[in-house]
Amino acid sequence: EVQLVESGGGLVQPGGSLRLSCAASGFTFSSYWMHWVRQAPGKGLVWISRIHIDGSSTNYADSVKGRFTISRDNGKNTVDLQMNSLRAEDTAVYYCARILSGGSRVFDFWGQGTMVTVSS
Amino acid sequence: QSALTQPASVSGSPGQSITISCTGTSSDVGGFDYVSWYQQHPGNAPKVIISDVSKRPSGVSNRFSASKSGNTASLTISGLQPEDEADYYCSSYTSSSTPYVFGTGTKVTVL
Repeated sequence: EVQLVESGGGLVQPGGSLRLSCAASGFTFSSYWMHWVRQAPGKGLVWISRIHIDGSSTNYADSVKGRFTISRDNGKNTVDLQMNSLRAEDTAVYYCARILSGGSRVFDFWGQGTMVTVSS
Repeated sequence: QSALTQPASVSGSPGQSITISCTGTSSDVGGFDYVSWYQQHPGNAPKVIISDVSKRPSGVSNRFSASKSGNTASLTISGLQPEDEADYYCSSYTSSSTPYVFGTGTKVTVL
């Protein structure tokens, strides 16, 4: 059974840091680009970052570039999102999702998400 | 990269058909056959219901169909059922530095 389980969310003060993790199981992790997508309360989905199957390439949305860093460990089947200099507007549910390398550009499976609240 | 434009809400009675539009540009929807659609019930993660403009993943009801014309993609739900009440998002691969963009989302209400 395919599973993506996010963890690490919580309450953090503005300017603080948080590290999210997504644990994958039930599929060949190293065959998938991994992505983070967030959803602010009552708002829509926003793509924020992705990492290549071997970690050699990363991309970020302009809104998080320079503050967030995505990484992966194919030995542990995990993808992390280090979030620094957090702002109130980063408050959201953060989902990890996968896209098969060389396949269709579709997020074919999502985790259940982890909530990040940035507030003093 | 701006979000793709969807109507905020669409409603219909059980058994009816509704269509949700998703408008982008030639740099995203119009430029690639990589439009996908996601259904999200409250409190749940999104679930893919359409990939590659019009392909239905295994297990997705054939009441969901989709197409694309120019810079606009469309999702049609036929034979509307109460369980179809949810938020729907389109997404497209893009040629910009932000490789993926989502739509603004559409709340579907079954009257």
